[in-house]
Amino acid sequence: GEQVEQRPPHLSVREGDSAIIICTYTDSATAYFSWYKQEAGAGLQLLMSVLSNVDRKEEQGLTVLLNKKDKRLSLNLTAAHPGDSAVYFCAVSPNSGTYQRFGTGTKLQVVP
Amino acid sequence: GGIITQTPKFLIGQEGQKLTLKCQQNFNHDTMYWYRQDSGKGLRLIYYSITENDLQKGDLSEGYDASREKKSSFSLTVTSAQKNEMAVFLCASSIPGGNAEQFFGPGTRLTVL
Repeated sequence: GEQVEQRPPHLSVREGDSAIIICTYTDSATAYFSWYKQEAGAGLQLLMSVLSNVDRKEEQGLTVLLNKKDKRLSLNLTAAHPGDSAVYFCAVSPNSGTYQRFGTGTKLQVVP
Repeated sequence: GGIITQTPKFLIGQEGQKLTLKCQQNFNHDTMYWYRQDSGKGLRLIYYSITENDLQKGDLSEGYDASREKKSSFSLTVTSAQKNEMAVFLCASSIPGGNAEQFFGPGTRLTVL
């Protein structure tokens, strides 16, 4: 079955710096990719999602890159601020799938 | 908008005890999910349900039962709590399909003494 690896598990950056989180997956039939954010004591919230025909998507300081050849998905927070401190998860699903498979999570800390 | 409610927020049990966690959603979503969240292991799917009275096993179903009594509610039972177990159980709901945005509840934190 699909294996999803996420790195790094912990990431600390200074306010204004970039933060990059990477997920790799194994199933070439994977067609749908998402990033979720989990703030302390809360459930996950969807940040952005892309289909497999999209290589790059930017929204509100976030950039998602998809490299299908290397089966790699990344999330770049271009100018992180303390409110971005949270745990981030990638999630993937095949086109015909009935559920998503989540990565192991990255705990991001943005220090002022 | 809608909301997902999980009860209880905190659950403390004894080894071997049967424990039930409840989830309610008012999105009118067909699909509901139960995940277990452990530090360093991400979210692992326990059970999901695509409609009322439907149950599908996830990757981590052993040691758990689930029940979809009606469209808006989905319960999870830990059949025999394991000593020193600590985890957060997250409930989610969505429209049908693996590419659907999932909406999550705040979680139930389980501690087994």
